[in-house]
Amino acid sequence: NAGVTQTPKFQVLKTGQSMTLQCAQDMNHEYMSWYRQDPGMGLRLIHYSVGAGITDQGEVPNGYNVSRSTTEDFPLRLLSAAPSQTSVYFCASSPTSSLSYEQYFGPGTRLTVT
Amino acid sequence: AQKVTQAQTEISVVEKEDVTLDCVYETRDTTYYLFWYKQPPSGELVFLIRRNSFDEQNEISGRYSWNFQKSTSSFNFTITASQVVDSAVYFCALFSGGYNKLIFGAGTRLAVHP
Repeated sequence: NAGVTQTPKFQVLKTGQSMTLQCAQDMNHEYMSWYRQDPGMGLRLIHYSVGAGITDQGEVPNGYNVSRSTTEDFPLRLLSAAPSQTSVYFCASSPTSSLSYEQYFGPGTRLTVT
Repeated sequence: AQKVTQAQTEISVVEKEDVTLDCVYETRDTTYYLFWYKQPPSGELVFLIRRNSFDEQNEISGRYSWNFQKSTSSFNFTITASQVVDSAVYFCALFSGGYNKLIFGAGTRLAVHP
């Protein structure tokens, strides 16, 4: 199993550009989520999904869209990038729809918006 | 409201010292789960432990131990005889059933010097 994979590993965008961060897992996990990590703030939840076709907002959803058309994939779209979205983004998955179990994290995507 | 506080931003110790990382949480739920994750310099997030609110038994795993005290809403993590490989950022996290979200603390950066 590859676990949770994310692409790209690094990305530089200009303000106003759009892009999609890819996330895939091969563990047949129901729950998937996106976090951003900023210095001194830990990880903050952007969006999550409890199964294909179901998504919901986390703490900091503004400026981001998600969809979950398959169990395996959970892409994160930045609609119009802003410098405030410079961050490290982590995708995670969990075997059940309850977060009472551990989450498996991808390696992260470091995004810089200039 | 849910909240996780890791008051220690950075800790620096010399190898073989014992070190305790503090975690204080807030939740109104009676059923909740607490987690510790490790983020080494390579950047990935590694699951260390999960504890549910009904199990206050302390846990030991090799040089790692965890002290869960509901009376003080704390879930502290102790590394005995620290090693350079323990250098990382450590995150405490809380999940409680009323919210389907995992809340992270800001993290504690541990530096172990030879």
